[in-house]
Amino acid sequence: GNSVTQMEGPVTLSEEAFLTINCTYTATGYPSLFWYVQYPGEGLQLLLKATKADDKGSNKGFEATYRKETTSFHLEKGSVQVSDSAVYFCALSKNTGFQKLVFGTGTRLLVSP
Amino acid sequence: NAGVTQTPKFQVLKTGQSMTLQCAQDMNHEYMSWYRQDPGMGLRLIHYSVGAGITDQGEVPNGYNVSRSTTEDFPLRLLSAAPSQTSVYFCASSDRRDYGYTFGSGTRLTVV
Repeated sequence: GNSVTQMEGPVTLSEEAFLTINCTYTATGYPSLFWYVQYPGEGLQLLLKATKADDKGSNKGFEATYRKETTSFHLEKGSVQVSDSAVYFCALSKNTGFQKLVFGTGTRLLVSP
Repeated sequence: NAGVTQTPKFQVLKTGQSMTLQCAQDMNHEYMSWYRQDPGMGLRLIHYSVGAGITDQGEVPNGYNVSRSTTEDFPLRLLSAAPSQTSVYFCASSDRRDYGYTFGSGTRLTVV
């Protein structure tokens, strides 16, 4: 079945450091891939998405590239801020019919000043 | 503001009690879903709907019922609450032409 594996956290960084959160997936066919962010006490917000191989999703300085050959969708940001502290979820869905989201277990990011 | 509204935000139930978690969206989205979030397990799909009058089971449906009488509303019913249903519940909606979901702010449920 479809599944998503994320690196375990927490990831602790200083402000302005480079961020990478690894995400790999297992899926039949060609899924769409997503990163969602959850700030403390809130619901999930879509951060970025990619719907086909080699697509790059980007938003708010975050980027992720859909790599079919390595089945990966790693999240990167060149310079993190304290306000980026949150839990980040990688997810996938199939591209036809109802898009059931399959989530990874989430990675907590803590950024200190 | 447009979005997904969930009520209540917090709830404590006794084992065996029943209750309904409410979810409403004002974006005219066709797809709606309920997820539960548990530590170390990410989010798991409980039930979903692809339109008014159409619902189906997700990954963890036991102990929950849903109905979709209107496009806007998608309530989740706990029939007889159990401690294993202690969790944070999220409702989400999506326009089938888009691949991103809008999530509500969640309901934190504790069953004692």
